[in-house]
Amino acid sequence: AQKVTQAQTEISVVEKEDVTLDCVYETRDTTYYLFWYKQPPSGELVFLIRRNSFDEQNEISGRYSWNFQKSTSSFNFTITASQVVDSAVYFCALKSGNTGKLIFGQGTTLQVKP
Amino acid sequence: ETGVTQSPTHLIKTRGQQVTLRCSSQSGHNTVSWYQQALGQGPQFIFQYYREEENGRGNFPPRFSGLQFPNYSSELNVNALELDDSALYLCASSRSGQGWATEAFFGQGTRLTVV
Repeated sequence: AQKVTQAQTEISVVEKEDVTLDCVYETRDTTYYLFWYKQPPSGELVFLIRRNSFDEQNEISGRYSWNFQKSTSSFNFTITASQVVDSAVYFCALKSGNTGKLIFGQGTTLQVKP
Repeated sequence: ETGVTQSPTHLIKTRGQQVTLRCSSQSGHNTVSWYQQALGQGPQFIFQYYREEENGRGNFPPRFSGLQFPNYSSELNVNALELDDSALYLCASSRSGQGWATEAFFGQGTRLTVV
């Protein structure tokens, strides 16, 4: 079975705090891809990052960083020095097999207070 | 490069009616997928179209159907609407032909309310 679990439903932090969003996935495929998307109140899903199963190298993009660990089937997302504009729902997603189907987690609502 | 656009943005329909939602894919993209997102939930895969044919389907009944046109734009049709069909419908486009690894870019969605 393929599944994505985001155990944190809601997180609230104060601006400039660091915050980590957890993502755990399940798949039996050896080749798969993991994604993070941001969904602001406008509704559009904004692509943030894609990682493939062969590349466990962590990635940093500005204030964003991602920690991919196959041993624990996790793909966590950290925002450093959070800002109010980071407030949104964040989704982790899995794509595996020979289809374009994305399997999303339930999402984590992040609220950054000034 | 134009992004993914969906129309209409909001729609109210009565139970039992039929609805058509439209999506224009991002320039250079040849694959379109549709997702249903109920309030407070993650998006659920409905189906995908590649080269004008359905190429993968989620756990949705046959009254959910679609089309892809030669210009890669797409329609989602839902017949016999039910109250539970109320949701945000998201269209995503991607570029295939290089495997299925490419990221999908989403439109702003159509908010469908069934009363």
